[in-house]
Amino acid sequence: QKEVEQNSGPLSVPEGAIASLNCTYSDRGSQSFFWYRQYSGKSPELIMFIYSNGDKEDGRFTAQLNKASQYVSLLIRDSQPSDSATYLCAVNWAGYALNFGKGTSLLVTP
Amino acid sequence: EAQVTQNPRYLITVTGKKLTVTCSQNMNHEYMSWYRQDPGLGLRQIYYSMNVEVTDKGDVPEGYKVSRKEKRNFPLILESPSPNQTSLYFCASSSRRQGAEQPQHFGDGTRLSIL
Repeated sequence: QKEVEQNSGPLSVPEGAIASLNCTYSDRGSQSFFWYRQYSGKSPELIMFIYSNGDKEDGRFTAQLNKASQYVSLLIRDSQPSDSATYLCAVNWAGYALNFGKGTSLLVTP
Repeated sequence: EAQVTQNPRYLITVTGKKLTVTCSQNMNHEYMSWYRQDPGLGLRQIYYSMNVEVTDKGDVPEGYKVSRKEKRNFPLILESPSPNQTSLYFCASSSRRQGAEQPQHFGDGTRLSIL
């Protein structure tokens, strides 16, 4: 069974701070890594994707991938109350299928 | 507008009454998938399809059927629904390009209640 693990949270950060969300995965053959944001009752929305080791930045979001440690993270700078949501880590391991973690709940307090 | 469309968005029905949830995408994506999402269990894949007439089981296929007769459509069929299939269902699609897998695009979801 290919596992994707996330801390369920809730992770609480004050407005303007950096939120750090972490994800580990079990399959060393995993190739693609995705972060989705999901508001309650809504569909997952793609935030970032990363394929290579290192950092990838897009606006306030930075995805970090370390394949040797089987670890992927998402940093959200200058966190806003509107960033409060559940963040899903997803890992591609067999061409198309995605394994999702159960998500980390983020709460940004004003 | 590129989108994945699911219907219905909400459905309340009774045990044993066959139902179909439709999913259609307008992005010419090869890959389509169905997930269910339950509190504490996250997103779990039910079935997926890599192209027309090619489907395969995901992690929780029991009680569900799918078909892929056309590239754009991927309906989910519950032949004899039971209360344990009450859940939030999502359809997703993605393209197949060499070098890296493309992100999946999700529909708005179908909230299904089986009484």
